[in-house]
Amino acid sequence: DAGITQSPRHKVTETGTPVTLRCHQTENHRYMYWYRQDPGHGLRLIHYSYGVKDTDKGEVSDGYSVSRSKTEDFLLTLESATSSQTSVYFCAIRDRGREGTEAFFGQGTRLTVV
Amino acid sequence: AQSVTQLDSQVPVFEEAPVELRCNYSSSVSVYLFWYVQYPNQGLQLLLKYLSGSTLVKGINGFEAEFNKSQTSFHLRKPSVHISDTAEYFCAVSVSNTDKLIFGTGTRLQVFP
Repeated sequence: DAGITQSPRHKVTETGTPVTLRCHQTENHRYMYWYRQDPGHGLRLIHYSYGVKDTDKGEVSDGYSVSRSKTEDFLLTLESATSSQTSVYFCAIRDRGREGTEAFFGQGTRLTVV
Repeated sequence: AQSVTQLDSQVPVFEEAPVELRCNYSSSVSVYLFWYVQYPNQGLQLLLKYLSGSTLVKGINGFEAEFNKSQTSFHLRKPSVHISDTAEYFCAVSVSNTDKLIFGTGTRLQVFP
């Protein structure tokens, strides 16, 4: 398995609270991605990073922010959690972007906002 | 913008029967194509990928896919499925001029004995 660790694996939080999910890799890959998975929607890209301090938005970025201060860590923050952000969140890493290399995925974080 | 369409949300099939999971993409530039599988309560793992060259790509667990540029399709096939193939399958596209990897909505394959 690729060295990707997501934490926490499960979290229940209250509406309006901030939440941070962590993705840690040991592969030294340049690209890191955050997706959310919801029934009927598949995986939707939230944000991604192409290097330390270099990030860009995906298709569903509203309400989320990210930070990457080290190559190995990519943090996803929900500024003020809402029930619509209840989902399973997956982190992925990729060695190169535009050359078509595959992504490797973490085990996911199940977030419930009550 | 590129997009991926998986036409079937669920595909029920009996064990040992053949199966085809359909995937179409839209992009005005060259693409790289992937199929991933997700078993229950797990992350995604790569089944196969098309980067260039032969349009017929073979992957793990007996799956194969064919890239058809004129029809912008990348359908996944297996000649004889097993119960253990029950999972969700995702098609994904990476466009040559971006760093994004875009997924379809997934197809749930359920294999019955």
